[in-house]
Amino acid sequence: DAKTTQPNSMESNEEEPVHLPCNHSTISGTDYIHWYRQLPSQGPEYVIHGLTSNVNNRMASLAIAEDRKSSTLILHRATLRDAAVYYCILRAYGNKLVFGAGTILRVKS
Amino acid sequence: DVKVTQSSRYLVKRTGEKVFLECVQDMDHENMFWYRQDPGLGLRLIYFSYDVKMKEKGDIPEGYSVSREKKERFSLILESASTNQTSMYLCASRRTGPWGTEAFFGQGTRLTVV
Repeated sequence: DAKTTQPNSMESNEEEPVHLPCNHSTISGTDYIHWYRQLPSQGPEYVIHGLTSNVNNRMASLAIAEDRKSSTLILHRATLRDAAVYYCILRAYGNKLVFGAGTILRVKS
Repeated sequence: DVKVTQSSRYLVKRTGEKVFLECVQDMDHENMFWYRQDPGLGLRLIYFSYDVKMKEKGDIPEGYSVSREKKERFSLILESASTNQTSMYLCASRRTGPWGTEAFFGQGTRLTVV
């Protein structure tokens, strides 16, 4: 399985944009890039996914580098409720989702 | 609202007991998963099932077994609970399809083995 590398933690101010990076230099052509987040005392929840093009949804945007070796999850205006652990996951053939350590995002008011 | 429901939020069991953790999904998903989550170790896959009566080992299957007799229900069994199985257990489900399909997680069961 291709691996991802994320910073252990990041901090943001409320109402400001947050850019959460993920490196995946060994990504293969069939790997989708998924982002999940886990709020305190809850199970993970899906945020967004993409393959090659940048993606937007109501929660976030996903910017994928042209060579696909890295990606960035963008929260446009962080709120206190966005404080969570954010996981960047690659998934290709097969059904498994393999989680890494993720990035702990702290949001300051 | 789609739902993955785990039978208990908190559970305390004694060493040596047989423990059943139940998970039910209402989305007609083919794939179901059991993870455990421990501080510093993240989420680790124990077992998954891609169809009724089908199962595959994940990364840490030792000490666990699973049962999938009906599509909507996936049970995790601790044959003889031990203190090192004290953990948060998370169930997830996902439909089979293009690789972009999202997984849905339950709220988790915090199991303490004493």
